[in-house]
Amino acid sequence: EPEVTQTPSHQVTQMGQEVILRCVPISNHLYFYWYRQILGQKVEFLVSFYNNEISEKSEIFDDQFSVERPDGSNFTLKIRSTKLEDSAMYFCASFPGTRSYEQYFGPGTRLTVT
Amino acid sequence: AQTVTQSQPEMSVQEAETVTLSCTYDTSENNYYLFWYKQPPSRQMILVIRQEAYKQQNATENRFSVNFQKAAKSFSLKISDSQLGDTAMYFCALLFTSGTYKYIFGTGTRLKVLA
Repeated sequence: EPEVTQTPSHQVTQMGQEVILRCVPISNHLYFYWYRQILGQKVEFLVSFYNNEISEKSEIFDDQFSVERPDGSNFTLKIRSTKLEDSAMYFCASFPGTRSYEQYFGPGTRLTVT
Repeated sequence: AQTVTQSQPEMSVQEAETVTLSCTYDTSENNYYLFWYKQPPSRQMILVIRQEAYKQQNATENRFSVNFQKAAKSFSLKISDSQLGDTAMYFCALLFTSGTYKYIFGTGTRLKVLA
């Protein structure tokens, strides 16, 4: 069964460094998302991406964040200058555009900013 | 504002018993879907059950069923014959069928199944 993959599973970085979180969505899916979950808290929407552009972004998704789908396969989230409060689990999800409206989640990347 | 509320931060249930997790939401939209996701210790998000708002019939998936009360904006999850593997965080989520199809999640309920 196709699945969403994410790399790395765990990333440790120093404050102020740039990180790139990578996702490979399911190949025939059309909509892509990043969500964030700070430890012990709820899952929060960051950004949605459709037709090679951002379709919606949350208040959390400020100028430090960017997303790309560089090669039609990967979907990346870049944080330019990490802060301590960026420490969280980041989930990628994709959705084929069907009426099931089910998003398929990757296993997540745990980002630790020290 | 569109919000999802889960008022039970933690619950426990004896193995083989039944437990109900509550979820309420607030929206003025008419066209939406509701979901329950399970997040075990591995942190993977796993779909448990889905309910279309236009359907009056409550969704069921094996031991999992929902009580969907559209007028009350309530969407509770019932787990029957609870198993140790049901121990997890459970999130209720709301999705609108217009716009970007993003999920709006509740704060979660941590369920522990006791042997």
